[in-house]
Amino acid sequence: GQQLNQSPQSMFIQEGEDVSMNCTSSSIFNTWLWYKQDPGEGPVLLIALYKAGELTSNGRLTAQFGITRKDSFLNISASIPSDVGIYFCAGLPLTGTASKLTFGTGTRLQVTL
Amino acid sequence: AAGVIQSPRHLIKEKRETATLKCYPIPRHDTVYWYQQGPGQDPQFLISFYEKMQSDKGSIPDRFSAQQFSDYHSELNMSSLELGDSALYFCASSPEIYRGLRTDTQYFGPGTRLTVL
Repeated sequence: GQQLNQSPQSMFIQEGEDVSMNCTSSSIFNTWLWYKQDPGEGPVLLIALYKAGELTSNGRLTAQFGITRKDSFLNISASIPSDVGIYFCAGLPLTGTASKLTFGTGTRLQVTL
Repeated sequence: AAGVIQSPRHLIKEKRETATLKCYPIPRHDTVYWYQQGPGQDPQFLISFYEKMQSDKGSIPDRFSAQQFSDYHSELNMSSLELGDSALYFCASSPEIYRGLRTDTQYFGPGTRLTVL
């Protein structure tokens, strides 16, 4: 099925560093969602974005909905070991509720002390 | 806060057996979605239900069926299991318009790990 282009695919960073990841699409989305998934667990919603240009924060996390509606980024500031996991972006199309999510390919984050 | 509940969390079946996965959405959520996630993959959409009616269908095999009941819980029925069905199965739910929340923000359960031997 369709996937969003998410980058980077993986990253090793040191504790305390800032992290940036982004998603791009050839299609327009009405909603962008960012999830974190630990191994064997369900994706946990981090941030939801509903308007083009919207910038939203959740603690050390900040995400933005691109003005073209085709991209989004997630920043994590001052990373800590528990930030380790896989981060997925997901988009919902313009039409319809109860719509399926289109997921990004994921960014695997590993944090070293 | 209450989350999506899935049962069982782990299930081991033999080939050609059947399996039933259950999902209990967050209270006041009337839409449920089922996703399948293989190792190292992103979740793939299977099927969704809104107000007990099927609303969208993805890459769900004909061997699988699902329904949503009057209490909004949902069950995914899987028959003639194949080795390739081994995966994590997630249920997600989204709310009706409530306190300004959009209907389409999906909250995931912890998943059921199905292993087919």
